[in-house]
Amino acid sequence: SQELEQSPQSLIVQEGKNLTINCTSSKTLYGLYWYKQKYGEGLIFLMMLQKGGEEKSHEKITAKLDEKKQQSSLHITASQPSHAGIYLCGADNNSGTYKYIFGTGTRLKVLA
Amino acid sequence: GAVVSQHPSWVICKSGTSVKIECRSLDFQATTMFWYRQFPKQSLMLMATSNEGSKATYEQGVEKDKFLINHASLTLSTLTVTSAHPEDSSFYICSANTGTGVYSNQPQHFGDGTRLSIL
Repeated sequence: SQELEQSPQSLIVQEGKNLTINCTSSKTLYGLYWYKQKYGEGLIFLMMLQKGGEEKSHEKITAKLDEKKQQSSLHITASQPSHAGIYLCGADNNSGTYKYIFGTGTRLKVLA
Repeated sequence: GAVVSQHPSWVICKSGTSVKIECRSLDFQATTMFWYRQFPKQSLMLMATSNEGSKATYEQGVEKDKFLINHASLTLSTLTVTSAHPEDSSFYICSANTGTGVYSNQPQHFGDGTRLSIL
């Protein structure tokens, strides 16, 4: 079965610093989704990547999918306290059922 | 954009009671919805796939009789935790997908979650 491993598990950065979160799949990705979750709340959709080498940006967040479609990275530029939360990568398990598997999550804390 | 509404957001009840959680797609139809459970400081664990007009598909290890799922319309799925006990206390989240076809090219959209506390 497919597994998604995220690194790091947790991250504490000073406001204004850049950071990168990685998501590595044990199998080829057919759809990779990045979500953000604040503790005790639902998931907010950030970006979707489907093609090898694809890169998307929204405000200060950039997500990339490597050419082999087995690894994705999420990069935050000039982090702010509002970026704090749990970042989850999710992937379509390619079974035709729309089921996702989720990564282990990365907890981000941004110090003001 | 696609909005998923989940209700209630917080439930506290006595052990032995049943609790129903609703998940609604507000501006789209969802033939498939998903129910997840999340333990503190952990990722989401898929419990079951809710299929409109048919039986839900449960993941391995999830008790069908404990977690009853009904998907009676294209915009509503419910999860009922029957005879709830303290070990059922958790954060439950639903999601729905707007995609069609064999492979989804649309993201899942999530409700805000329900925090269930059984005393």
